[in-house]
Amino acid sequence: DQQVKQNSPSLSVQEGRISILNCDYTNSMFDYFLWYKKYPAEGPTFLISISSIKDKNEDGRFTVFLNKSAKHLSLHIVPSQPGDSAVYFCAARGLGDKIIFGKGTRLHILP
Amino acid sequence: DTEVTQTPKHLVMGMTNKKSLKCEQHMGHRAMYWYKQKAKKPPELMFVYSYEKLSINESVPSRFSPECPNSSLLNLHLHALQPEDSALYLCASSLEKGYTEAFFGQGTRLTVV
Repeated sequence: DQQVKQNSPSLSVQEGRISILNCDYTNSMFDYFLWYKKYPAEGPTFLISISSIKDKNEDGRFTVFLNKSAKHLSLHIVPSQPGDSAVYFCAARGLGDKIIFGKGTRLHILP
Repeated sequence: DTEVTQTPKHLVMGMTNKKSLKCEQHMGHRAMYWYKQKAKKPPELMFVYSYEKLSINESVPSRFSPECPNSSLLNLHLHALQPEDSALYLCASSLEKGYTEAFFGQGTRLTVV
């Protein structure tokens, strides 16, 4: 039973436009949510995180929004750039400080 | 140095072989992790070491045996693996256990034949 769900396996976005990656979770005890980015043949790279007590966190072109009542978070990338093409993993921190990952969404930035 | 280095990058082993995966970091991180990732699946936590002591073992079969010789090194000893153990094995480290910003290595692509 997946506690962190990324229902879109892939997403294509035009360069310069906004990319929105979505993530749902089931466990209301998660206290931190995070996004990792992964290029082929590399390990995941930490991108941005948000505490469960906040609803928004921004870092440059990346903004994460958290809707606790809907158990939903999203990552916005504006403007999207070719180097943003990668797999994006949503993850959450639960009991025992365990980080649980979603399956990932492959983002393609189109020229 | 913000790297986590894993060796080897690729490994093919028979079911009767014994091999080891190695992971090294020099960031002064006190938590190190092993994850297993199969194709089109999320990384799944296997083990967590905190201050060189095993903190979490996610009910991993005993054919996988972790070892933390010192604060910079983490090994994963493999013995009598099955073909279904073929996967990408990722090592990660973070300042402390549970820190959201973990640094991952490139992974070792393991194939069991």
